Amino acid sequence: DAKTTQPNSMESNEEEPVHLPCNHSTISGTDYIHWYRQLPSQGPEYVIHGLTSNVNNRMASLAIAEDRKSSTLILHRATLRDAAVYYCILRYSGNTPLVFGKGTRLSVIA
Amino acid sequence: DVKVTQSSRYLVKRTGEKVFLECVQDMDHENMFWYRQDPGLGLRLIYFSYDVKMKEKGDIPEGYSVSREKKERFSLILESASTNQTSMYLCASRIGTGRQETQYFGPGTRLLVL
Repeated sequence: DAKTTQPNSMESNEEEPVHLPCNHSTISGTDYIHWYRQLPSQGPEYVIHGLTSNVNNRMASLAIAEDRKSSTLILHRATLRDAAVYYCILRYSGNTPLVFGKGTRLSVIA
Repeated sequence: DVKVTQSSRYLVKRTGEKVFLECVQDMDHENMFWYRQDPGLGLRLIYFSYDVKMKEKGDIPEGYSVSREKKERFSLILESASTNQTSMYLCASRIGTGRQETQYFGPGTRLLVL
């Protein structure tokens, strides 16, 4: 699987937007970019994923660079409940498992 | 809502015991996975299954086996528990591929082997 690089940790103020970066310079044309997050003492949960175009859902937005070598997960208004580890994962479309890296630990300050 | 349930949130076992961790999903998903999570090591894949009676080894299968007799149930078996298998165990199931794909995780089982 192609590798991703994320900052170990980030901090945000409550009610501010948060931009979580992910670099994936070796991405292939068929790799989807997935984001999951893991709240304290819980299993990971799906956030969003995309292939080439920017994607929006009720949780977040995913901005994908034109060359697809990087992407950014955008939380439009961080809340204390968004404090979690966020994982950026590349996955070829097919029957292969998700492989998790270390992710970015997001702290949200009231 | 999709539900992935795991039989126990917390479990304490003794070294050498045979341990069964059960995972059930209620959405007819074909793909199911077992991970373990340890501080500093992240989530690591133990075994996965694409269909009933099918199984594939993940990155760290040693000391574990799995069973998938029914589509909704995927069991992880520790044949002879050891202290280095103390960990958080997470089960997941997945629907769809590509654009439609979403993976759902259970709440985890925290296993302590004494």
